Amino acid sequence: DAKTTQPNSMESNEEEPVHLPCNHSTISGTDYIHWYRQLPSQGPEYVIHGLTSNVNNRMASLAIAEDRKSSTLILHRATLRDAAVYYCILRDVSETSGSRLTFGEGTQLTVNP
Amino acid sequence: ETGVTQTPRHLVMGMTNKKSLKCEQHLGHNAMYWYKQSAKKPLELMFVYNFKEQTENNSVPSRFSPECPNSSHLFLHLHTLQPEDSALYLCASSQDSSYNEQFFGPGTRLTVL
Repeated sequence: DAKTTQPNSMESNEEEPVHLPCNHSTISGTDYIHWYRQLPSQGPEYVIHGLTSNVNNRMASLAIAEDRKSSTLILHRATLRDAAVYYCILRDVSETSGSRLTFGEGTQLTVNP
Repeated sequence: ETGVTQTPRHLVMGMTNKKSLKCEQHLGHNAMYWYKQSAKKPLELMFVYNFKEQTENNSVPSRFSPECPNSSHLFLHLHTLQPEDSALYLCASSQDSSYNEQFFGPGTRLTVL
């Protein structure tokens, strides 16, 4: 699986936007970009995914660079409940067996009141 | 019950014990997964089942034995574990193994004495 690089930690203030970066310079043409987050004492939770175009859903937006070598997860208004570890994951859609999500270290997001 | 449930939530066992972890999903999904999350390490995929058939074993030691009797239930049978097997064991499910979004349970915190 192609590797992703994320900052170990980030801090934000409540009600402000948060931009979580992810570098994936070795991404292949068939890799989807996924974001999951893990709140304290819980299992990971799907946030969003995309291939080439920017994506929006009720939780967040995903901005993908034109060369696809980086992406940014955008939380438009951070709340205290958004404090979690955020994982950026690449998944090869050409895989025929299994749906392998290879988790890295992720970014620990702290939201200050 | 909705989503993915796991029992027990906490388990302490000796190295000579035999125990089982249970996962149940109420989402009508056909793929189920076991992941291991050790302290200060990324989540590791252990097993994948798609339509009750095991499609992936990520070089997991034989002291971990999965069982998938139907698409809604997944078990992880444990025997003669080692202290280094202490970890959070997470179950997940998805529509099928090619589907992007996985839904995780809360995990079972296992301690091996």
